Order: sequence, then C-alpha cells, then structure tokens
Amino acid sequence: ETGVTQSPTHLIKTRGQQVTLRCSSQSGHNTVSWYQQALGQGPQFIFQYYREEENGRGNFPPRFSGLQFPNYSSELNVNALELDDSALYLCASSFGQARDTEAFFGQGTRLTVV
Amino acid sequence: GIQVEQSPPDLILQEGANSTLRCNFSDSVNNLQWFHQNPWGQLINLFYIPSGTKQNGRLSATTVATERYSLLYISSSQTTDSGVYFCAVYTNAGKSTFGDGTTLTVKP
Repeated sequence: ETGVTQSPTHLIKTRGQQVTLRCSSQSGHNTVSWYQQALGQGPQFIFQYYREEENGRGNFPPRFSGLQFPNYSSELNVNALELDDSALYLCASSFGQARDTEAFFGQGTRLTVV
Repeated sequence: GIQVEQSPPDLILQEGANSTLRCNFSDSVNNLQWFHQNPWGQLINLFYIPSGTKQNGRLSATTVATERYSLLYISSSQTTDSGVYFCAVYTNAGKSTFGDGTTLTVKP
C-alpha cells in the first residue's frame, strides 16, 4: 500500500507565472484535499475533491483551481503567482469525504515565488 | 466559519515530563484529528478522534464534542516528541480548519 505522494518537493517560480502541483492519493482513497501552509501558521484549507468533483472550498481566490482524475490523483493549479503564494502546499487523501474518515497527508511541495 | 484555538502556543519541557495540549473549537464538528508535523513539514497522524478517548503508547487523546474541546496527553516526553502539534476539525460543510499549533520543545 503506497502512501500519499506529492511532486515536486520544491520549486521556485517568478511572480505572475503559473504552477501545477501534483498529488497521488493513497491506494484505495477517493478524496483529495489541498492546503496552504505559510511559515509559522497552521495549514489553510484550499479545497477538496471527492469522486472528481470539487466538494468544499476555503477562502481562496479563483486563481487557485484543481482537478481530480479517474484514478483519484489530483492537481492544484495556481495562476498569476504572487509573492504571498510562497508556502508549503500539502495534500491529504481519505476514503470518503474527510469530514467522515481519517485523512493522511503527503510530504508537501515547498513553493517559493520570487 | 469555525474557529480553532490551540493552547499553549509554546511549551518547553524536560525529558521525562508530562504535558497536556488543548484544542478548543467554536462549533459542532464531524471529525477531529491530531497531527505532529516533523521538521521536514510532513503531518504525521496521531489520532482520529471525533469523540471519546484513545491511547497509543505514551500518547492519548480525549475529545468531548458536546463541550467543543479535545486534549492531547504526552507522558514521559522524549526529545523526539519535539515539533509542532496541530489539531484539525472537519465540519459537515465539507471544510476543514486547523489550529495554529503548539510548538513543543523537549530538552534532554
């Protein structure tokens, strides 16, 4: 059984660019949630995908978007990057919606916007 | 939205001491989890505990959902227990909220 894996582990982008982060859910899981964690803070919920549909969204602008694929892996896309988007991005997977079952996290992608 | 408050924000202990971390939340929740974030940023699951009490070795947790709080107990602390501890709550609306964490430092 494989755990949650994220790629890449680190990347550096320039303000205004677009970025795509990837998450492979744990075997048997059908839900992926994405979080942004700024330095010194707790993770902030971006959105959740359940069976390929967005199912819950936090207070993030529309330039944060996502996809979930038939194999339940997921992408987080951020357009028009801003300096404040620099953060650790975490994804979590669960079987069923995270409100009902235990969620497991990947190791994160550290994004730096310069 | 729901508010999650963790206390204390920082805790310094000598190895072997016991500690209690608290998580208060402002509304009803479906689910609550405790995590330990390692120095590399990964969140390690400690407890999935929407209600009741669970124990795992030196760690135990209690959630009293009706009174909107959860406690994480660490007994006989070790230096490897150092790090940031988060609680996260999950509501029926499909959203989750983390507290700001408790930073634990265990000194040898």
